[in-house]
Amino acid sequence: EAQVTQNPRYLITVTGKKLTVTCSQNMNHEYMSWYRQDPGLGLRQIYYSMNVEVTDKGDVPEGYKVSRKEKRNFPLILESPSPNQTSLYFCASSAGLGFTLHFGNGTRLTVT
Amino acid sequence: DQQVKQNSPSLSVQEGRISILNCDYTNSMFDYFLWYKKYPAEGPTFLISISSIKDKNEDGRFTVFLNKSAKHLSLHIVPSQPGDSAVYFCAASSNSGGSNYKLTFGKGTLLTVNP
Repeated sequence: EAQVTQNPRYLITVTGKKLTVTCSQNMNHEYMSWYRQDPGLGLRQIYYSMNVEVTDKGDVPEGYKVSRKEKRNFPLILESPSPNQTSLYFCASSAGLGFTLHFGNGTRLTVT
Repeated sequence: DQQVKQNSPSLSVQEGRISILNCDYTNSMFDYFLWYKKYPAEGPTFLISISSIKDKNEDGRFTVFLNKSAKHLSLHIVPSQPGDSAVYFCAASSNSGGSNYKLTFGKGTLLTVNP
């Protein structure tokens, strides 16, 4: 089954404790991206990657890092999480422009 | 600056009637528009899309209309079913975005279809 898999689904952590949210897709998509969803703000893009070793900032990149060492994986790294990063995070992938963006089921992160 | 606006946070309709969800955009560079549906505890799933060269696209019970001069699009669901109850996101993208196939999303509209 074609899918985007994120882990963990739920995460509670404390301020400053580094964490990684993993994302993997099995559709051989070149394009991957991370979004966050906040009440009243919709989904906003954090980072994106056009291909292996190619990443760039989206609209709200502050406080986040990403890496794309393999085509299928695109982890999101919070080196020093803060409470304002409490949010619902979605990883997505696409075959390219004009193709559907496929989303994972989300990771709900709480930073206390 | 919100480039994609869904001004109705929620909409309630009776089963069998038409649901109309609206979306406005401000960026004239947008040339591809999509609707995504989201159930609780799941990621958004693609529903239907329309290119700026068209003014209507239909897929079963779902039709999207685009009015470029008004920078407005709408999603019609006929007939509405209780399983359609979800949050609907309007999204837009631009070919001029270069290598970033970014979608700009609205805030979403919660549709409730009552049996």
